[in-house]
Amino acid sequence: AQRVTQPEKLLSVFKGAPVELKCNYSYSGSPELFWYVQYSRQRLQLLLRHISRESIKGFTADLNKGETSFHLKKPFAQEEDSAMYYCALRSGAGNMLTFGGGTRLMVKP
Amino acid sequence: NAGVMQNPRHLVRRRGQEARLRCSPMKGHSHVYWYRQLPEEGLKFMVYLQKENIIDESGMPKERFSAEFPKEGPSILRIQQVVRGDSAAYFCASSEGASYGYTFGSGTRLTVV
Repeated sequence: AQRVTQPEKLLSVFKGAPVELKCNYSYSGSPELFWYVQYSRQRLQLLLRHISRESIKGFTADLNKGETSFHLKKPFAQEEDSAMYYCALRSGAGNMLTFGGGTRLMVKP
Repeated sequence: NAGVMQNPRHLVRRRGQEARLRCSPMKGHSHVYWYRQLPEEGLKFMVYLQKENIIDESGMPKERFSAEFPKEGPSILRIQQVVRGDSAAYFCASSEGASYGYTFGSGTRLTVV
């Protein structure tokens, strides 16, 4: 069975500091991984997916199959990055997502 | 395109009542997914539906919960005889197809008193 773990419930950093939100997964097949973000009072929205290897709002995430990780990084945090971040894994069949428990990022001025 | 619409946004039910949660997918999307988020936890998959078909309900509790996605109208998640433990945020998402990305709705927050 697949599992996604986000070890930190809360991450607090100062504006301009680097940010790394951790995500580890367990899955026997070839995973497809995503980061979703939920800003205050807004719906969950896709931030990025590993297969597109893109940078969105300055965030990047690299799939490390050896360490089974998909950490989300940004070199300089902004106050508007404050939100809940969820890592998710899509398994082969059916398009269902397995979510981690989420990390609340707070960026202080 | 209004996106995925869920209503109501907030629903309060007494123990033993029925709760009906509605989800209208994005225009052109025929696949609907329901997720539940308990307090302090991540989203957990419940059920995946296409028009008139349940594709996967492996995350759905065996009793009191049911879901449908009729040919016309929204998808409905129905919880009979609600209990306090059903209090949660219920999110719906839709996609064009089985390998397409999701668009989420804003969720329905169910409180059982």
